Amino acid sequence: GENVEQHPSTLSVQEGDSAVIKCTYSDSASNYFPWYKQELGKGPQLIIDIRSNVGEKKDQRIAVTLNKTAKHFSLHITETQPEDSAVYFCAATDNAGKSTFGDGTTLTVKP
Amino acid sequence: NAGVTQTPKFQVLKTGQSMTLQCAQDMNHEYMSWYRQDPGMGLRLIHYSVGAGITDQGEVPNGYNVSRSTTEDFPLRLLSAAPSQTSVYFCASSSVAGGGDEQFFGPGTRLTVL
Repeated sequence: GENVEQHPSTLSVQEGDSAVIKCTYSDSASNYFPWYKQELGKGPQLIIDIRSNVGEKKDQRIAVTLNKTAKHFSLHITETQPEDSAVYFCAATDNAGKSTFGDGTTLTVKP
Repeated sequence: NAGVTQTPKFQVLKTGQSMTLQCAQDMNHEYMSWYRQDPGMGLRLIHYSVGAGITDQGEVPNGYNVSRSTTEDFPLRLLSAAPSQTSVYFCASSSVAGGGDEQFFGPGTRLTVL
């Protein structure tokens, strides 16, 4: 089955700095790669996603890059703000919509 | 739209008891799934369904049953609760669009088994 590894497990940055979270996957059949943000006591919420036919996608301060050959994808957050503090999960999804999640990254943005 | 709703929000069970976690969505999504989230870990897939009447096992199905009689509802049954099932349970739904799509998650059920 699919295996997703996510690094780092914790990340602390100063407000205004950039944050990068990386994930690798094992199954070349995975073709949809979402990133979710989870705030304390809530369910995960999609912040950005990318499909296997695209190398990069950007939405304001958030960007995701995908390297299909190397089987890795990354989340980039620029100009971080305290409200970006949360747990972030990557996932790799197959054609049936079945997702395998990474173990999460706890991002802390210090004012 | 209410999105994905889950009940109850909290539940305490004794070992051996059974219960059903409820999940409903009003977005007419075909795909629904159940995950458990343990401290320091990501979400692990328990069971999923690609449409009414169709269910399949995920990564950690043992001790859980599901059924999908309608598009809207996808209950998760714990047959005989064990302490190892203490976790936060999330239900999610999505419209499977040939390659996966955004999953909408419910608020979760925090389950403690004593």
